[in-house]
Amino acid sequence: GIQVEQSPPDLILQEGANSTLRCNFSDSVNNLQWFHQNPWGQLINLFYIPSGTKQNGRLSATTVATERYSLLYISSSQTTDSGVYFCAVDMIYNQGGKLIFGQGTELSVKP
Amino acid sequence: KAGVTQTPRYLIKTRGQQVTLSCSPISGHRSVSWYQQTPGQGLQFLFEYFSETQRNKGNFPGRFSGRQFSNSRSEMNVSTLELGDSALYLCASSGETGFYFGSGTRLTVV
Repeated sequence: GIQVEQSPPDLILQEGANSTLRCNFSDSVNNLQWFHQNPWGQLINLFYIPSGTKQNGRLSATTVATERYSLLYISSSQTTDSGVYFCAVDMIYNQGGKLIFGQGTELSVKP
Repeated sequence: KAGVTQTPRYLIKTRGQQVTLSCSPISGHRSVSWYQQTPGQGLQFLFEYFSETQRNKGNFPGRFSGRQFSNSRSEMNVSTLELGDSALYLCASSGETGFYFGSGTRLTVV
């Protein structure tokens, strides 16, 4: 089956620093999303980005579908950005409704 | 527009019991999928329902089952609970702009 690999697995930043999280996937996808899991376990949508570039405040994401990777950029990080970031894909030949997750990047932002 | 609602938020059950979890999707979404999250295995797909039909199923034993009602609300059931079933169970509803998750049900089996 499709492999979704995220790097780095852990990241420690000082408040105000920038970071780039990477997601590689091994097959063509219909959908790619980035999520932030809060301390209570809820997965918060960051981006729905099967291709191209999107920005939302201090966060932006780029997916290059032909090269099978996506990047999540966090600028001027804040302590509230701490948590686990997941990339998830929905495969192109699925009937739909099935996300495959990477193992996540655990981000810790220190004040 | 209301988000995805999961109930209950927390559950404690004894080995051998069964449990039913509920998920109400975003209005208009017909697809509901379920995921199990554990520290060792990460987030794993359980199954997905669309218009009351199971379209996809993950690699879980038959003790895990689900269903979807005509109003798109979904339930998942785990029978004969084992200690290893302790996990966060998340459901998602999906539409044209992707997947949206509920707050999850944290199940502890003792």
